[in-house]
Amino acid sequence: NAGVTQTPKFRILKIGQSMTLQCAQDMNHNYMYWYRQDPGMGLKLIYYSVGAGITDKGEVPNGYNVSRSTTEDFPLRLELAAPSQTSVYFCASSYLRRHSTDTQYFGPGTRLTVL
Amino acid sequence: ELKVEQNPLFLSMQEGKNYTIYCNYSTTSDRLYWYRQDPGKSLESLFVLLSNGAVKQEGRLMASLDTKARLSTLHITAAVHDLSATYFCAVDRGETSYDKVIFGPGTSLSVIP
Repeated sequence: NAGVTQTPKFRILKIGQSMTLQCAQDMNHNYMYWYRQDPGMGLKLIYYSVGAGITDKGEVPNGYNVSRSTTEDFPLRLELAAPSQTSVYFCASSYLRRHSTDTQYFGPGTRLTVL
Repeated sequence: ELKVEQNPLFLSMQEGKNYTIYCNYSTTSDRLYWYRQDPGKSLESLFVLLSNGAVKQEGRLMASLDTKARLSTLHITAAVHDLSATYFCAVDRGETSYDKVIFGPGTSLSVIP
């Protein structure tokens, strides 16, 4: 299993440009999540999905869009990039939480700089 | 609104010493996580604490949870350089997914010889 994969690893955008951050998981998890991590801070939830075709906003959704057409993929779209979106973006996935040992699995992250 | 605080935010300690990182949170929860993040890397799950009085240990790290005090601790015993990383606690108020997890700001630990 590759686990949770993200592409690209690094990206520099100009203000106003758009891009899509890709996330895929091969663990057949229903739930997927997008977080951003600003310097010296904990992760904040942007969007999440409980299954294909179902998405919902997290704590900081403004400036982002998501879609979930398959169980495996959960891309994050940035429209009209702004310097405030400079951050490290993590994708994560999980099963429906039933057992005490259940946990989230995180991808390696995408470091985005908007200039 | 749930807030999660960690103390200290930065910690430099000598190898062989013991120290404790504190995680305080503002509203009731009986599920708390500790993660480790190495520089430029993703988060690695360390502990899942599920109830009041829960204690878990792995190697030189021991985590505990006091839900009445809304406090979790991560105790480091006889620190070694390999433990240098940022440690996050995260408090969960959700039921079946992780959409209600709030992360603390992290404690950056540096273990020096």
